[in-house]
Amino acid sequence: SAVISQKPSRDICQRGTSLTIQCQVDSQVTMMFWYRQQPGQSLTLIATANQGSEATYESGFVIDKFPISRPNLTFSTLTVSNMSPEDSSIYLCSVEDRANTGELFFGEGSRLTVL
Amino acid sequence: QKEVEQNSGPLSVPEGAIASLNCTYSDRVSQSFFWYRQYSGKSPELIMSIYSNGDKEDGRFTAQLNKASQYVSLLIRDSQPSDSATYLCAVNMLTNDYKLSFGAGTTVTVRA
Repeated sequence: SAVISQKPSRDICQRGTSLTIQCQVDSQVTMMFWYRQQPGQSLTLIATANQGSEATYESGFVIDKFPISRPNLTFSTLTVSNMSPEDSSIYLCSVEDRANTGELFFGEGSRLTVL
Repeated sequence: QKEVEQNSGPLSVPEGAIASLNCTYSDRVSQSFFWYRQYSGKSPELIMSIYSNGDKEDGRFTAQLNKASQYVSLLIRDSQPSDSATYLCAVNMLTNDYKLSFGAGTTVTVRA
């Protein structure tokens, strides 16, 4: 499985500010996925990031709020813009198994608290 | 109907007992099924994947799949306190472009 590093691991942010989360993978991957896990909830896919193209957003998520960059095959960033307390969540970066089995592997997550 | 539904928890079992976790899914043509374990404050960790009907065993874990009933389960034998975690069922769904859809999770507590 890939080794996925995320940072920051946690942060406390002020309302109205923006924060960028970085995700680094130890191998080249075609697609990277960004998930959100709100307190006590399951995982919700925010968007799929492909290198060289615009990210594909799921229903309920928009680029203005969650801009994503994918400059190369091992790195992606997710920005949470104009944060409100409702954005307090764990944000997870994930990649698919190289054998295309559908298995997903996750980074350690970034726990954001918005005051 | 939710796409992936898990039996509501929390589930409390004594040490050494079998913990049984259930999951149903709505997309009849789903082909890939996964169980993730998530310790409190940690990210999900893949523990089992199953693609064919029947049972798949890995150590103390057994996954069972019945596509006709759209049902997948996870059995944890000889439960240990270290198994205390939330278990997430995930399904690749055609209706979701084959992206993984996750259930809400079942929290398991193993009592020593």
